[in-house]
Amino acid sequence: EAGVAQSPRYKIIEKRQSVAFWCNPISGHATLYWYQQILGQGPKLLIQFQNNGVVDDSQLPKDRFSAERLKGVDSTLKIQPAKLEDSAVYLCASGQVYGYTFGSGTRLTVV
Amino acid sequence: GENVEQHPSTLSVQEGDSAVIKCTYSDSASNYFPWYKQELGKRPQLIIDIRSNVGEKKDQRIAVTLNKTAKHFSLHITETQPEDSAVYFCAASWSGGYNKLIFGAGTRLAVHP
Repeated sequence: EAGVAQSPRYKIIEKRQSVAFWCNPISGHATLYWYQQILGQGPKLLIQFQNNGVVDDSQLPKDRFSAERLKGVDSTLKIQPAKLEDSAVYLCASGQVYGYTFGSGTRLTVV
Repeated sequence: GENVEQHPSTLSVQEGDSAVIKCTYSDSASNYFPWYKQELGKRPQLIIDIRSNVGEKKDQRIAVTLNKTAKHFSLHITETQPEDSAVYFCAASWSGGYNKLIFGAGTRLAVHP
């Protein structure tokens, strides 16, 4: 089966600019997650979708981060405006019940 | 909410030795415990997992044990090889939380030839 697709792979922006990441999950996976992985740390959940509904966004900094999942398939994560501390790898994952698959991630550098 | 602690943060072993990484979790409702391996610059990849109705699971050189009473679980790698060098993450989830995974901080394993 095809894996979780993410784009872009890398992005460098200046602080206060905006950026968007895209994720296409594995076909048929109802659950989609966005994680933030800061260098040297474990992935931290930002938001979880079940089909096209949000089931957990308690760790999402909603003043600057937003995410949507259209038609229960693709998802986009947006940051506006970006801060230096947003520099991280943003991982998308999708799954069924147990164990999910990660995409390759988008490495964001905010300068 | 759930919290997962992982130890040690770094582990250095000689090729052929065994490596053990331990994790503890806080929520007794957690029922699924996967382990992910992440090589430098790559995505985390699932290497083994265990559910709460099982005490131990093995897959060739790797094994995971779960102690529900003590709320801890461990990854065991035997006969380590240089290609085992990576960062290993434990995680925990529970069905009531829509299976969201909470990750430990990771263990950087170095296997020296």
